Amino acid sequence: RKEVEQDPGPFNVPEGATVAFNCTYSNSASQSFFWYRQDCRKEPKLLMSVYSSGNEDGRFTAQLNRASQYISLLIRDSKLSDSATYLCVVNLFGNEKLTFGTGTRLTIIP
Amino acid sequence: EADIYQTPRYLVIGTGKKITLECSQTMGHDKMYWYQQDPGMELHLIHYSYGVNSTEKGDLSSESTVSRIRTEHFPLTLESARPSHTSQYLCASSESGLAENNEQFFGPGTRLTVL
Repeated sequence: RKEVEQDPGPFNVPEGATVAFNCTYSNSASQSFFWYRQDCRKEPKLLMSVYSSGNEDGRFTAQLNRASQYISLLIRDSKLSDSATYLCVVNLFGNEKLTFGTGTRLTIIP
Repeated sequence: EADIYQTPRYLVIGTGKKITLECSQTMGHDKMYWYQQDPGMELHLIHYSYGVNSTEKGDLSSESTVSRIRTEHFPLTLESARPSHTSQYLCASSESGLAENNEQFFGPGTRLTVL
């Protein structure tokens, strides 16, 4: 079992729809969580951190469920520019290292 | 935009050659990282550094080596390239401080092909 697990997709979603991704992680003591975005053949970039109480940034909402060891990302009113791979990233052991999921590939269809 | 640079962006080289992938950042970050990513796969940490003269192996075993003589540079070297080394190599850096607050900034990557 992978330490950080995501549904690889692809998710093909019409423009304007709402889409949600989940990610599970293996270590219940993990302290910090992030969503990164990676465009095709580009480097990953931080989309948002995930806080215990849940947090929102415009059309994006991230939530953490510690009891079930998963984090989620919700994208509302999806745009064509949202097409990318979304990486679930976890600081599993409280050290300097981040563990990346395989990523969920999202394509927004006009 | 992050001020972290990698050269070359693309490298095609024959088996047995020695190569060095360059990574530099102008943000004064103490922590730097090297990841390896194959197409459609997750990033794997191969090396990291907490500061000058500090280097550690990552989670994925790699035949490459790194050095950190200056804060801003973190080069990766392969003494004898092989086709199994073909991959994308991504360099990243982050500030010191609490790990949970520190965004990692990535360079554009080097796509290495070993024939």
